[in-house]
Amino acid sequence: GNSVTQMEGPVTLSEEAFLTINCTYTATGYPSLFWYVQYPGEGLQLLLKATKADDKGSNKGFEATYRKETTSFHLEKGSVQVSDSAVYFCALSEEGSYIPTFGRGTSLIVHP
Amino acid sequence: ETGVTQTPRHLVMGMTNKKSLKCEQHLGHNAMYWYKQSAKKPLELMFVYSLEERVENNSVPSRFSPECPNSSHLFLHLHTLQPEDSALYLCASSQDGRGADTQYFGPGTRLTVL
Repeated sequence: GNSVTQMEGPVTLSEEAFLTINCTYTATGYPSLFWYVQYPGEGLQLLLKATKADDKGSNKGFEATYRKETTSFHLEKGSVQVSDSAVYFCALSEEGSYIPTFGRGTSLIVHP
Repeated sequence: ETGVTQTPRHLVMGMTNKKSLKCEQHLGHNAMYWYKQSAKKPLELMFVYSLEERVENNSVPSRFSPECPNSSHLFLHLHTLQPEDSALYLCASSQDGRGADTQYFGPGTRLTVL
């Protein structure tokens, strides 16, 4: 079956630090890949996505590149802000499937 | 953003109560989902509806009963719950329900079972 593995959290950074949250996946086909973010007291919302190999998704300074050869979709941001403190979920969904697969989430805490 | 709304936002119920959670989407989507989010556990997909037909049911106990009367509304009927059912219940919708579709989540209902 499909699976998504994210690095354990919490990740604690100072403001303006560089962020990487690792995500690797296993899938039987060629899935679409997603990063969702959940701010405190809210539901998840899409941060970015990529639908095929070598695509780069980007939004709000965050980026992730679909790497088929390493089955990875690592999330990066060059300079984090306190407002980026949230839980980040990596996910995949295969073409034709109704069932997305989510990682366990990585909590990010950014200190001033 | 009021694309997906959920009511109530908080619910406390006893083990013998019957209650319902409501979800409404204003995005014109065809697919709707219920998820359970518990502390220190992965997000659990409970039910998926596409065009008001249930297309997935992930071995959820019968004390949870979904209802999708039309493509804009989704309910989760609760009865005889257990304390371990306490969690955040998230509703989501997507255009078609498959593949590259983005899921749009509501804010969730925080359920506490006493």
